[in-house]
Amino acid sequence: KAGVTQTPRYLIKTRGQQVTLSCSPISGHRSVSWYQQTPGQGLQFLFEYFSETQRNKGNFPGRFSGRQFSNSRSEMNVSTLELGDSALYLCASSPDRADYGYTFGSGTRLTVV
Amino acid sequence: DQQVKQNSPSLSVQEGRISILNCDYTNSMFDYFLWYKKYPAEGPTFLISISSIKDKNEDGRFTVFLNKSAKHLSLHIVPSQPGDSAVYFCGFSLAGNNRKLIWGLGTSLAVNP
Repeated sequence: KAGVTQTPRYLIKTRGQQVTLSCSPISGHRSVSWYQQTPGQGLQFLFEYFSETQRNKGNFPGRFSGRQFSNSRSEMNVSTLELGDSALYLCASSPDRADYGYTFGSGTRLTVV
Repeated sequence: DQQVKQNSPSLSVQEGRISILNCDYTNSMFDYFLWYKKYPAEGPTFLISISSIKDKNEDGRFTVFLNKSAKHLSLHIVPSQPGDSAVYFCGFSLAGNNRKLIWGLGTSLAVNP
């Protein structure tokens, strides 16, 4: 069974640019969550999508957006990149059962220069 | 409003001894509690979980304890092994259909040979 696939693994962008990250969940998983991880800040929740609808949203500015497609694949977009957006972006998928089973991808390491 | 506190950013333990990682929380509506382990350059992986109706759950060398009256969650690793060296995150789930996981900041465990 394939795991959660995030692409690309590494990305270098310039301030002011925009970026799109992709996440393919485990087959059958309908929930996809996005997290930002920076040193000292732990896992900061960005948003969660379930059946193409945003179900939960964290406290990030509107520059951070996402969407989910009918096949449950999800994309995350960051516009007008800032240096502080440099982080590891993690995606997690879940079958949305009460006993959980969040499976994380390996992440996309974004560096903004 | 910090609902979850993982107060020890780092912990160093000798191989073969017990590692104890702790999280405190304030929200009594949490109904499911999880521990994840994260190695560098990888996504977090699920370790062990416990529901609010239990106070202990064991899986091999890993035991999770939940003290609801004290709003305290802990993870015991016995005996600790060098391969356990990683960052450990506690995750807390809010009851209800609009599930959301709230994470601690992580504790970096170093198990010394």
